[in-house]
Amino acid sequence: SQQGEEDPQALSIQEGENATMNCSYKTSINNLQWYRQNSGRGLVHLILIRSNEREKHSGRLRVTLDTSKKSSSLLITASRAADTASYFCATGKSQGGSEKLVFGKGTKLTVNP
Amino acid sequence: ETGVTQTPRHLVMGMTNKKSLKCEQHLGHNAMYWYKQSAKKPLELMFVYNFKEQTENNSVPSRFSPECPNSSHLFLHLHTLQPEDSALYLCASSQERGLALDTQYFGPGTRLTVL
Repeated sequence: SQQGEEDPQALSIQEGENATMNCSYKTSINNLQWYRQNSGRGLVHLILIRSNEREKHSGRLRVTLDTSKKSSSLLITASRAADTASYFCATGKSQGGSEKLVFGKGTKLTVNP
Repeated sequence: ETGVTQTPRHLVMGMTNKKSLKCEQHLGHNAMYWYKQSAKKPLELMFVYNFKEQTENNSVPSRFSPECPNSSHLFLHLHTLQPEDSALYLCASSQERGLALDTQYFGPGTRLTVL
């Protein structure tokens, strides 16, 4: 399965601290995306990193991708209570006309004020 | 707001009912998706439409029937559902399904409860 798996499943930190979430996958990919979901709501795209990229930044977010280890990490710096949400990685693969974006189970992040 | 709307936001139905979920995107996208999100399970892709044509059906039971009359609208018709079909149903759209597997924009979802 190419499914991404996030680690940890749950993370609780204090406001101001950094939060790091990891994603591992099994097969080669075209890109890897991170999404955020507030409780009971839709997913919101955060960042997309292509297989030939190693690091990407967006505001307080930093994403790394190590294709040799088939892993990615999402770092949220100086966390805020409003960052409380579930975070999902999704791996995208294009092969033989079949293309899929496969989501992991997510990391539930709680940022305590 | 992501530019993708879903109605209704909540739905409770009996196993013998017939209902429909509606999704509309205002982004000018050509691809639309239905996902199912159950507790403690990964997001499951159900159907994909690209330029109004269904390009993927992920072994979804026939009690779920999608319809895409145009690139902006997507429906999911439901009939004789089971309690295990209770979940959050999410609609998404993207510019075009293919090539770079681009960013998907999600609606807020419909919380479905089957009694």
